[in-house]
Amino acid sequence: DGGITQSPKYLFRKEGQNVTLSCEQNLNHDAMYWYRQDPGQGLRLIYYSQIVNDFQKGDIAEGYSVSREKKESFPLTVTSAQKNPTAFYLCASSINGGTEAFFGQGTRLTVV
Amino acid sequence: QQQVKQSPQSLIVQKGGISIINCAYENTAFDYFPWYQQFPGKGPALLIAIRPDVSEKKEGRFTISFNKSAKQFSLHIMDSQPGDSATYFCAASMEGSSNTGKLIFGQGTTLQVKP
Repeated sequence: DGGITQSPKYLFRKEGQNVTLSCEQNLNHDAMYWYRQDPGQGLRLIYYSQIVNDFQKGDIAEGYSVSREKKESFPLTVTSAQKNPTAFYLCASSINGGTEAFFGQGTRLTVV
Repeated sequence: QQQVKQSPQSLIVQKGGISIINCAYENTAFDYFPWYQQFPGKGPALLIAIRPDVSEKKEGRFTISFNKSAKQFSLHIMDSQPGDSATYFCAASMEGSSNTGKLIFGQGTTLQVKP
């Protein structure tokens, strides 16, 4: 089945540690996105990539980093510089130039 | 100017009733307006979308009404069912050669349909 796979579903991190969230898609989509969801705030764009080896900052990129070495993969690293990392993280993809985004099931990150 | 404002934040409707969620935008360059449905613990899924060349789009019980001059659009759920209980997000984006596919989301509306 084609789709977007995020892992893990739940992730716990100690303060001061970096953590990497995985996102893989087999839809052959060029564009991939990371959004952060907090209660009552909708989805906010962290980073996006339209092509391999290229990515752009979104609205809330501070404290996050990404890479796009393969078309299928767009991992997100939450660094210790992110002051409030506890949130639900959603990865999405779309056909480049198209607008329908397909979302993964999300990763819930909790800082303990 | 990049914001999309959504209301209400929460909504309770009786089974069989009509659920109405409203969104407003400022940027007239937006030309694609989707609605996403999200169940708890899941990722959002595209429900229905509209482009500004039409004023209304209907798919089953779900209808988008679009008012270009007022820069507003709304989702109507007819004959609401308990299975419709979810969080709904409106969004806006721009197509065209410069399109990056970035979606600007509203704040979300939590809908509860009572049996």
